[in-house]
Amino acid sequence: ETGVTQTPRHLVMGMTNKKSLKCEQHLGHNAMYWYKQSAKKPLELMFVYSLEERVENNSVPSRFSPECPNSSHLFLHLHTLQPEDSALYLCASSSGSHYGYTFGSGTRLTVV
Amino acid sequence: GENVEQHPSTLSVQEGDSAVIKCTYSDSASNYFPWYKQELGKRPQLIIDIRSNVGEKKDQRIAVTLNKTAKHFSLHITETQPEDSAVYFCAARPNAGGTSYGKLTFGQGTILTVHP
Repeated sequence: ETGVTQTPRHLVMGMTNKKSLKCEQHLGHNAMYWYKQSAKKPLELMFVYSLEERVENNSVPSRFSPECPNSSHLFLHLHTLQPEDSALYLCASSSGSHYGYTFGSGTRLTVV
Repeated sequence: GENVEQHPSTLSVQEGDSAVIKCTYSDSASNYFPWYKQELGKRPQLIIDIRSNVGEKKDQRIAVTLNKTAKHFSLHITETQPEDSAVYFCAARPNAGGTSYGKLTFGQGTILTVHP
């Protein structure tokens, strides 16, 4: 496994459920990201955390709530999602601003 | 904000042929351009990147070229093999301006199929 681990790999949830996605990195990186990957669309940035502080929020609906308790862990809390939220949710981390991302394997989310 | 356009959306080649994928970006302040390969059901993986102070970079069968004036960059894969079949994404990052993180804007992706 890469150094960026995401759990669960697959998740099916009803529109009234509450669930959380987890991301963990062991690379010593200082920034972590949540991206949404939908079919036939570019990767969409949702949130950026740098040094545990949220620094970017791309107008994501409030039914998505991120949490970064420390520099190694990132969560995405999900509440009352819609079917159009079904997608692959990718976590990534980076070291500073000069390098590319290391991605996790993603969580395939299906909202029914 | 930055906008990245990627073409073509699908590309089919015969094994041994070359493949070229092109991207354009809008923000002239962008200075870092990575390429990612995503195989079916797997995570995107960085395969090559280039910075704005360099015009070309090569790593075995893959190369990337950058034209800052025209604001476009391209991925070149030579002697393609069936295992090169995947989705390829380009991305651009504006100057981070002293921040401790970098925000990538991705292209739409190119589905490359290499036929044996």
